[in-house]
Amino acid sequence: DAGVTQSPTHLIKTRGQQVTLRCSPKSGHDTVSWYQQALGQGPQFIFQYYEEEERQRGNFPDRFSGHQFPNYSSELNVNALLLGDSALYLCASSYDRAGELFFGEGSRLTVL
Amino acid sequence: KQEVTQIPAALSVPEGENLVLNCSFTDSAIYNLQWFRQDPGKGLTSLLLIQSSQREQTSGRLNASLDKSSGRSTLYIAASQPGDSATYLCAVESSNDYKLSFGAGTTVTVRA
Repeated sequence: DAGVTQSPTHLIKTRGQQVTLRCSPKSGHDTVSWYQQALGQGPQFIFQYYEEEERQRGNFPDRFSGHQFPNYSSELNVNALLLGDSALYLCASSYDRAGELFFGEGSRLTVL
Repeated sequence: KQEVTQIPAALSVPEGENLVLNCSFTDSAIYNLQWFRQDPGKGLTSLLLIQSSQREQTSGRLNASLDKSSGRSTLYIAASQPGDSATYLCAVESSNDYKLSFGAGTTVTVRA
């Protein structure tokens, strides 16, 4: 049974560019959440998708947007990249909004 | 706003010693509390999930307690091993909006 998978694992962008990160949830899970983790910090909640809709959002600007597809996979898009967007982006899936969370290995984004 | 604190930020113990990791949170309106392990540069691995109605959960050498009224949880790891070296994060899920708030983690080093 495949767990949560994320791609790409590493990427480097320059300021002002746009990036798309992808996530496939654990089999049987219908809810996907995205987190940003800066070095030495705990993950910060970006948003959660359930039934293809954004159901919850953390304190992130509109430059951060997402999408959930009918097969429950999800994308995170970040526009107009800033140096401060450099972080590990983690995707987590669960069954139902408040179920136990399972995380992927993350996508390491470096903005130069 | 939920604030989650983990003390100490780091600790180093000799192999075989028991580990005690602390987590405190400011808002007792929680749905559950989850403990995670994170290896350097990797994603999060779920260790234990405690529902708000529970007092503790156990899995092998791990035991986690929850005192919701005082806003505290403790993770005990018995007979530590070098393979237990990692960062341990606690996360609290709000019963109001199901958002997950993380502490910054405790980095554990077990010396052989």
